[in-house]
Amino acid sequence: GAGVSQTPSNKVTEKGKYVELRCDPISGHTALYWYRQSLGQGPEFLIYFQGTGAADDSGLPNDRFFAVRPEGSVSTLKIQRTERGDSAVYLCASSFTRSDTQYFGPGTRLTVL
Amino acid sequence: DQQVKQNSPSLSVQEGRISILNCDYTNSMFDYFLWYKKYPAEGPTFLISISSIKDKNEDGRFTVFLNKSAKHLSLHIVPSQPGDSAVYFCAASGRSGSRLTFGEGTQLTVNP
Repeated sequence: GAGVSQTPSNKVTEKGKYVELRCDPISGHTALYWYRQSLGQGPEFLIYFQGTGAADDSGLPNDRFFAVRPEGSVSTLKIQRTERGDSAVYLCASSFTRSDTQYFGPGTRLTVL
Repeated sequence: DQQVKQNSPSLSVQEGRISILNCDYTNSMFDYFLWYKKYPAEGPTFLISISSIKDKNEDGRFTVFLNKSAKHLSLHIVPSQPGDSAVYFCAASGRSGSRLTFGEGTQLTVNP
């Protein structure tokens, strides 16, 4: 079946702009995660959804970052007033339940000029 | 602080030989450990996992060993193949699952 998909694959924006990154999880997966990977580092946790609700958002770096999952499937990560330090690959993962294996999408490479 | 560490940024082995990738962790609440493989421009791909109640898990050419007292795990690949060349990430989670904490990754190169 289809895996996790993310759009766009690449996003270039200017400092101060607003961006939205989309994630389509594997069908039937109730848990959805966002991670951020900077160059030379491993992925870092941002936020976890169980169904429609954000069960753990402790990894969001500040209030410029926000994510939603209104119908318990597709999720959107929103970044306001982007900064150059936000440049990274943003990864989405989903799992059947919170204790099952997480499967990752290909990521969105965000570049803030 | 870095709760999961992979101290070797890179490893190079000959085709057919064994590859051993190492990972150390500091958080004693970690209960479940995973290895992911990542090719350039792709997301991490799940490889193998191990629960803290076990000390070994095997899947084909891949074996993961867990030493809880030393807070150390390793991934053995034998025999290594050129297609195994990728970045390998060690990850850990708590008893209830959810968020993963990743190491920095080790670039494995398998030379033909």
